[in-house]
Amino acid sequence: KAGVTQTPRYLIKTRGQQVTLSCSPISGHRSVSWYQQTPGQGLQFLFEYFSETQRNKGNFPGRFSGRQFSNSRSEMNVSTLELGDSALYLCASSLRLAPRETQYFGPGTRLLVL
Amino acid sequence: AQTVTQSQPEMSVQEAETVTLSCTYDTSESDYYLFWYKQPPSRQMILVIRQEAYKQQNATENRFSVNFQKAAKSFSLKISDSQLGDAAMYFCAYRDALDSNYQLIWGAGTKLIIKP
Repeated sequence: KAGVTQTPRYLIKTRGQQVTLSCSPISGHRSVSWYQQTPGQGLQFLFEYFSETQRNKGNFPGRFSGRQFSNSRSEMNVSTLELGDSALYLCASSLRLAPRETQYFGPGTRLLVL
Repeated sequence: AQTVTQSQPEMSVQEAETVTLSCTYDTSESDYYLFWYKQPPSRQMILVIRQEAYKQQNATENRFSVNFQKAAKSFSLKISDSQLGDAAMYFCAYRDALDSNYQLIWGAGTKLIIKP
């Protein structure tokens, strides 16, 4: 089975722009979570989607949004980019929305905001 | 709110020796899951081992084992016979079992260096 894929792998944007990141989960997985990883703040939960519905949301401003499609693929969007949004964005998928489910991570998208 | 603390920013070990990475957590819940993830330089996060809080038996996966002390809220990872490929950042993570919010709460990570 193919693993979690994320596109693009690297991205450079300027302040004020918006960006869309994509995540394709493992085939059959219906839950997708997004995390932001920075040297200063570490790993922080952004949101989780299951069956096209946002089920959980972390403590991020409204500039961060996401969605999930009927094939479980997910996108996250960041509008009005700020320098502090530079980070590695990780996507993880799991079979179901349940605490015991193992989350499998993608390679991440590294976003640099200039 | 739950927190996870990894007090060792960096650890080093000689190849083939054993190393233990520490993790403590704070929660008022009785049912939860604990995880160790490995993040090599490629940046892909890989699950190493998982522990269910209601299970007293410590989880083991080949050379990786944990020492789960529920009362002390401690969850350390032991790596036996360390190999060069074990060099990575190791993250301890926590997740509530009953809360509807299933997000992972992460520690700051420990960088493991393997000396050949």
